Amino acid sequence: DAGVIQSPRHEVTEMGQEVTLRCKPISGHDYLFWYRQTMMRGLELLIYFNNNVPIDDSGMPEDRFSAKMPNASFSTLKIQPSEPRDSAVYFCASSVGRYNEQFFGPGTRLTVL
Amino acid sequence: GESVGLHLPTLSVQEGDNSIINCAYSNSASDYFIWYKQESGKGPQFIIDIRSNMDKRQGQRVTVLLNKTVKHLSLQIAATQPGDSAVYFCAERVQTGANNLFFGTGTRLTVIP
Repeated sequence: DAGVIQSPRHEVTEMGQEVTLRCKPISGHDYLFWYRQTMMRGLELLIYFNNNVPIDDSGMPEDRFSAKMPNASFSTLKIQPSEPRDSAVYFCASSVGRYNEQFFGPGTRLTVL
Repeated sequence: GESVGLHLPTLSVQEGDNSIINCAYSNSASDYFIWYKQESGKGPQFIIDIRSNMDKRQGQRVTVLLNKTVKHLSLQIAATQPGDSAVYFCAERVQTGANNLFFGTGTRLTVIP
């Protein structure tokens, strides 16, 4: 298995632009998580899905952030409009079952100018 | 809210020596703990976990110790190798709630050849 796949690996955009991050979880995993990592706040859970259904989005910072999972093999995290303070590394992770090991993707480094 | 913190932000050790990375947690309801390793440009990678009904768990060259009395967690790496150089995070989870991992800020381990 290729593991969790994220794209793009790097994204540089200007303030006000829409940004879409993509994730393909490991096949067979029924949980998908989106995290954000910054130097100041470390790793923070933004939202997670179970069987494509959003379960807890309490970590989503603002209405500018939205996430979808249209099928078991694909999820997106969208920021619209983007702001410089959104600059961070965004990780997607997946797991089998609620309490089992989460496998992380390589992350997307987002820079908003 | 929950918080997980680390005593030492950086640690340098000689190759072949043993490393000890410490972590403090504050939520007494946390009953599952995980250590992750994050290499530069990569996502966190699971190393070892421990449940609160255990005091010690061993893996290959790694040992995790849990002291619930003082809410302290440690990761011991035996015969540290250059490939062990990375940032190490402890994370806690309260299994009675949502499947949310709360990560510490991380300790950077540098192995000196």
